[in-house]
Amino acid sequence: GESVGLHLPTLSVQEGDNSIINCAYSNSASDYFIWYKQESGKGPQFIIDIRSNMDKRQGQRVTVLLNKTVKHLSLQIAATQPGDSAVYFCAETEDSSYKLIFGSGTRLLVRP
Amino acid sequence: NAGVTQTPKFQVLKTGQSMTLQCAQDMNHEYMSWYRQDPGMGLRLIHYSVGAGITDQGEVPNGYNVSRSTTEDFPLRLLSAAPSQTSVYFCASTPGQGNRETQYFGPGTRLLVL
Repeated sequence: GESVGLHLPTLSVQEGDNSIINCAYSNSASDYFIWYKQESGKGPQFIIDIRSNMDKRQGQRVTVLLNKTVKHLSLQIAATQPGDSAVYFCAETEDSSYKLIFGSGTRLLVRP
Repeated sequence: NAGVTQTPKFQVLKTGQSMTLQCAQDMNHEYMSWYRQDPGMGLRLIHYSVGAGITDQGEVPNGYNVSRSTTEDFPLRLLSAAPSQTSVYFCASTPGQGNRETQYFGPGTRLLVL
């Protein structure tokens, strides 16, 4: 597949450990945030989302934390697996808009 | 459902050539959009449509045209390709009002402009 990003920051974790991927967003008016996972050669895949009236949301093995004060978003992956290796993007948008603004991405490498 | 489909998967163009990237969805989604993804960067919105007959510009619209004559199709046209348009292009769709959560992306088209 294509190279999603040649100069992406990379997080390397041991299989079974927890992973934390961070994202700083830019627009203080953004009220809806999404994490996407992108595997090589594929389009982004929805992981989890959170609205600005929440500061935490949990899914299956994933948790998203939102800190509006410092405009920071994080994705926590519990018990990271080899299949979690991918590039992860955060995206933001305002309430009335479908226009997603993507961050630059983080590459997650899971060591066996 | 096939979801969001894109054709072609790969394309090589010479500077100045024109082409159309096809995008189709069979989920009756109102909202469709086109993004480009360059190395080291996230996806950037080119154009989007909130329904048949309605289109609008995104973050990087220059050099691209779109139309939305049907709900299913949202083609992206490059009228005169430039090397700066070398990128991977993704089409996406979402149901519409109250359903922003579900945005489906196609597999992408890799374009090389020489």
